[in-house]
Amino acid sequence: TQLLEQSPQFLSIQEGENLTVYCNSSSVFSSLQWYRQEPGEGPVLLVTVVTGGEVKKLKRLTFQFGDARKDSSLHITAAQPGDTGLYLCAGHNTDKLIFGTGTRLQVFP
Amino acid sequence: ETGVTQTPRHLVMGMTNKKSLKCEQHLGHNAMYWYKQSAKKPLELMFVYSLEERVENNSVPSRFSPECPNSSHLFLHLHTLQPEDSALYLCASSPGLDGFYEQYFGPGTRLTVT
Repeated sequence: TQLLEQSPQFLSIQEGENLTVYCNSSSVFSSLQWYRQEPGEGPVLLVTVVTGGEVKKLKRLTFQFGDARKDSSLHITAAQPGDTGLYLCAGHNTDKLIFGTGTRLQVFP
Repeated sequence: ETGVTQTPRHLVMGMTNKKSLKCEQHLGHNAMYWYKQSAKKPLELMFVYSLEERVENNSVPSRFSPECPNSSHLFLHLHTLQPEDSALYLCASSPGLDGFYEQYFGPGTRLTVT
């Protein structure tokens, strides 16, 4: 069974701090997506990374796909309360999208 | 607003009740999904439909019964549920079945089984 482990599971930080969330697997994925889910809502896609070693930036968020396409990281610079939510990675393999275990982020003002 | 709506947003039901969850997508997508999200487990895929045909059923108990009358609507019929079925049920759609596509999620139905 393919599994995507995310770490940390929970993260509480002050506004302005930097953080990194990790998504790891023993399986190779064709591509990897990151979603953010805010309270009371469904997950919303942030980014898709496709190529091993690829780095994508979305304002203060930086996403990296591992060289071997088995892992990914999300780095947030100068976190803001609006970044609060559940961050989910999802790996694409053939016709399936496998979701990670999730990282719940709380950013305090 | 993602283009995927779900009703009701909250549902409390007893173990002997029968109820249905509804999902509607306004995006012209061909694939629709039901997921279960609980506090202690990753997002669990329950059912997948492509062009109104069920293509995946991930060992879901028969007390959950999906229905897809057309490519825009998806239902999840519930009967004789157990307390451990309490969770957030999310519907999603995508242009096709390929896992490369982005999935568009509805806001979910928060189900409590008493």
